[in-house]
Amino acid sequence: AQKITQTQPGMFVQEKEAVTLDCTYDTSDPSYGLFWYKQPSSGEMIFLIYQGSYDQQNATEGRYSLNFQKARKSANLVISASQLGDSAMYFCAMRDRGNQGGKLIFGQGTELSVKP
Amino acid sequence: DGGITQSPKYLFRKEGQNVTLSCEQNLNHDAMYWYRQDPGQGLRLIYYSQIVNDFQKGDIAEGYSVSREKKESFPLTVTSAQKNPTAFYLCASSSLPYGYTFGSGTRLTVV
Repeated sequence: AQKITQTQPGMFVQEKEAVTLDCTYDTSDPSYGLFWYKQPSSGEMIFLIYQGSYDQQNATEGRYSLNFQKARKSANLVISASQLGDSAMYFCAMRDRGNQGGKLIFGQGTELSVKP
Repeated sequence: DGGITQSPKYLFRKEGQNVTLSCEQNLNHDAMYWYRQDPGQGLRLIYYSQIVNDFQKGDIAEGYSVSREKKESFPLTVTSAQKNPTAFYLCASSSLPYGYTFGSGTRLTVV
């Protein structure tokens, strides 16, 4: 069965430093997509970055990059130059062809706090 | 601008009462989803719909019902059979294989 695991319930980082949020996944489907979302206290889910299982390069979007290690089934999010506004919950999610109707499966989330 | 509108933002339900959460999208997406989020938890799928007049149960469908009469609309009814409905509800739509867009959510509280 598909599963997403985020083992860090909470993380602290100093402003302007880089931080890595861990995500491991499990699927038997060779074709899948991995997503990271940011959820501030307001509750909205903000899309950050996407990595396809067949993508040759790690995805990057501005200050966000995804450290994709396919053999280890990990898809860690790296945030460079942290800002106070980065304080939020972060969710890793996966979709594969076996998922019902293209649904996303979510991890439990990591709460990131950026210190000034 | 295209997006998903959820209403109301906050909703209070009395014991034994049915309530309906609204979800409207103008993105022309075929697929729509309802997720439930409990405090400190990830999202769990309640129902999804890939096409008008068709919908499927997700992982936690008991005590909920949906309809999909129009492509733009996917309302969720929380029935009295749902014993613990207090949660944050998020609606999403998608143009597969990517392109998931979420609404801003509805916080439901039982009083």
